[in-house]
Amino acid sequence: LAKTTQPISMDSYEGQEVNITCSHNNIATNDYITWYQQFPSQGPRFIIQGYKTKVTNEVASLFIPADRKSSTLSLPRVSLSDTAVYYCLVGDIYSGGGADGLTFGKGTHLIIQP
Amino acid sequence: DTEVTQTPKHLVMGMTNKKSLKCEQHMGHRAMYWYKQKAKKPPELMFVYSYEKLSINESVPSRFSPECPNSSLLNLHLHALQPEDSALYLCASSLGGGELFFGEGSRLTVL
Repeated sequence: LAKTTQPISMDSYEGQEVNITCSHNNIATNDYITWYQQFPSQGPRFIIQGYKTKVTNEVASLFIPADRKSSTLSLPRVSLSDTAVYYCLVGDIYSGGGADGLTFGKGTHLIIQP
Repeated sequence: DTEVTQTPKHLVMGMTNKKSLKCEQHMGHRAMYWYKQKAKKPPELMFVYSYEKLSINESVPSRFSPECPNSSLLNLHLHALQPEDSALYLCASSLGGGELFFGEGSRLTVL
């Protein structure tokens, strides 16, 4: 089981870049790393997914070092509306690898201030 | 259509009632999921259906009974629930891997 560890909470300010790191020391060869965002009383929303190196989309970047034992979600120029809980999930999601990639850890509560 | 629709949005039931939560998606996804989320906690995986067959059951009490009538529909039948079962129930779907698409959830209150 690829257990993940994230900071419980983080604070930042509007316009700043925010980096949230997730540790997953026992990540397996077939495991992917996926990040979700969740607002109160709503379902989680997919942000980004990666396997190695760097992935970028229109809302975020995901940095994965060569040993893959951690990953960093980078949110550029955050706004107040980015205040949410961010979850890192790690698991074999493409070859029927069980529930690992579907299991949410405790997440990081990101608070953006004006 | 990239939506997962859950009904009802809110449900209040007594401990002796039988009710159902419904989930529907029309994205052609073949995997569907039920999660339970208590306040200020992460979502907990309950059931996984893959190609309309139950593939993962995370030791959920039998008072929760899932059903997948077809690839677009997922139900969660509720019977003899306890007050501690009050939570937000989330449905999700995926293309058999990768991104999970979640619905807005059904807020359940058990009296």
